[in-house]
Amino acid sequence: EAQVTQNPRYLITVTGKKLTVTCSQNMNHEYMSWYRQDPGLGLRQIYYSMNVEVTDKGDVPEGYKVSRKEKRNFPLILESPSPNQTSLYFCASSLYRHSPLHFGNGTRLTVT
Amino acid sequence: GIQVEQSPPDLILQEGANSTLRCNFSDSVNNLQWFHQNPWGQLINLFYIPSGTKQNGRLSATTVATERYSLLYISSSQTTDSGVYFCAVERERDDKIIFGKGTRLHILP
Repeated sequence: EAQVTQNPRYLITVTGKKLTVTCSQNMNHEYMSWYRQDPGLGLRQIYYSMNVEVTDKGDVPEGYKVSRKEKRNFPLILESPSPNQTSLYFCASSLYRHSPLHFGNGTRLTVT
Repeated sequence: GIQVEQSPPDLILQEGANSTLRCNFSDSVNNLQWFHQNPWGQLINLFYIPSGTKQNGRLSATTVATERYSLLYISSSQTTDSGVYFCAVERERDDKIIFGKGTRLHILP
């Protein structure tokens, strides 16, 4: 089944403890991106990648890192999480830049 | 930066009713997409519609890029249509994707 898989679905952690949220797609998509969703603010783009080894900042990249070493994987790294990064995170992919986005099921992160 | 405004912010309708959701954007865009976020939080792509009109069952969408707006039509609403509808645009000047704040739709049985 064609899908975007995020792990974990839920994560509770403490301030400053490095974490990684994984994202994998099995559709051979070139474009992948990360978003955070907060009440009243909607979804905001964190980082995107147009292909392997090509990443760019979205609108809210501060405090996050990404890497695209393989086409199928696009992990989101929080090196020193803070409580203001508590949010619902979504990974998405599309065949290429100008094509429909497909979303994963989300990761709810709580930083205490 | 580009503003993406959706209206109305909230909508409550009886099952069987029709509705029109609007998305206005303030700058030139490469494309526009409509999504439905269901009550379980899943985001489903409804339309990829940089311009023109598309239809998929009871749903249809129209984008008039030159006038910077898009409309999503839902006919004969069902309770499963409940959720939040988002439009998202790709900014022409830097390829970033910007979402509107959504329209929350509640269909009463």
